[in-house]
Amino acid sequence: TQLLEQSPQFLSIQEGENLTVYCNSSSVFSSLQWYRQEPGEGPVLLVTVVTGGEVKKLKRLTFQFGDARKDSSLHITAAQPGDTGLYLCAAPVDSSYKLIFGSGTRLLVRP
Amino acid sequence: DTGVSQDPRHKITKRGQNVTFRCDPISEHNRLYWYRQTLGQGPEFLTYFQNEAQLEKSRLLSDRFSAERPKGSFSTLEIQRTEQGDSAMYLCASRPMGYEQFFGPGTRLTVL
Repeated sequence: TQLLEQSPQFLSIQEGENLTVYCNSSSVFSSLQWYRQEPGEGPVLLVTVVTGGEVKKLKRLTFQFGDARKDSSLHITAAQPGDTGLYLCAAPVDSSYKLIFGSGTRLLVRP
Repeated sequence: DTGVSQDPRHKITKRGQNVTFRCDPISEHNRLYWYRQTLGQGPEFLTYFQNEAQLEKSRLLSDRFSAERPKGSFSTLEIQRTEQGDSAMYLCASRPMGYEQFFGPGTRLTVL
């Protein structure tokens, strides 16, 4: 069974602080996606990483795919209250490309 | 807005009633997925359509659940004889030829 484990489960930080969220698995994935979800809404795709060792930046967010394509991290620099939300990592599996998700990291950025 | 849309956004029903949800994917996406998300968890796969063909169903999809995608456009998910354990957010996503999926806003189901 392929699983994605995210850590930490919950993070409460002050505005301006930096943070890193991790997504780990024992399986190799062809790609990995990060989503952000706000309460009562569907997940919104932030980024897809495909190549082992790949680093992608989206403003203050930096995403990295592990060299072995088994893990990924999301680093936020100078967090803002607008970054508050549930961050989910997901990976497509088998020929259907259905996604398996981690259980998410709930981030609260206090003003 | 040309994103994925879902209707209704919220549904409250009594145990034993039937409910139906609708998903309208992005128009050029021929692949459509349904997921279920319970509180504090990531979404879990329910079923997958390519055009009008339902190609895969999760073991989570009991015989009380049925999904259709007539003419390969919108999709419906019906739950018969709802149970309290069916309370969840039901998410629809669509995908073009690539591997990225785009989600709708979800339907929040509460079974009393």
